[in-house]
Amino acid sequence: DVVMTQSPLSLPVTLGQPASISCRSSQSLVHGNGNTYLNWFQQRPGQSPRRLIYKVSNRDSGVPDRFSGSGSGTDFTLKISRVEAEDIGVYYCMQGSHWPPHTFGQGTKLEIK
Amino acid sequence: EVQLVESGGGLVQPGGSLRLSCAASGFTFSDRFMDWVRQAPGKGLEWVGRIRDKVNSFTTDYAASVKGRFIISRDDSTNSLYLQMNNLKTEDTAVYYCCTDISGSSYGGYFGQGTLVTVSS
Repeated sequence: DVVMTQSPLSLPVTLGQPASISCRSSQSLVHGNGNTYLNWFQQRPGQSPRRLIYKVSNRDSGVPDRFSGSGSGTDFTLKISRVEAEDIGVYYCMQGSHWPPHTFGQGTKLEIK
Repeated sequence: EVQLVESGGGLVQPGGSLRLSCAASGFTFSDRFMDWVRQAPGKGLEWVGRIRDKVNSFTTDYAASVKGRFIISRDDSTNSLYLQMNNLKTEDTAVYYCCTDISGSSYGGYFGQGTLVTVSS
């Protein structure tokens, strides 16, 4: 199984400042079809997860452009250019390139300093 | 608008069974692979299993932790997804989410609101 490792696991941030979350996979996430199925999900307190980014860098509909995804191979990053109060929650990376099983990172808790 | 509404959760004793349902709307259900994902209290997300579409013979895959105990099925005539859970263990206690194709397609990645399953004596 592909192991997904996120860092940091806790990220205190100041409103208006940038934030960055790293996600590493135990093997390359390049699929046989050439795509890289690395996704990012946000889970606000008390809510269901919501996908923000798919295939490394594609923002889902309605996702603010302050969220961006980047990376390749085994190293990926989610960046928030300026953190807003509504961004508080837990962020998960997830790979869909080599399944079963689909595997998630441990989650990174974004909180206000 | 994609809507996924889970139901059927509740309290069950270890060794018991439960069937979860998911009512889907707002998209062409029959064209989509569908997944179940769960989240134990205070923990992270865990993929449970997947069912493919008719073109792919409705084949299924499961996480090792539930293989042989859980069965995923679907009814495209009623846009419904199901999760039959047998021989439940205390470690199966979680919120169970119905999801559209979480692999990374542009049209997937939606979660329902979840239904809580508690396995306890």
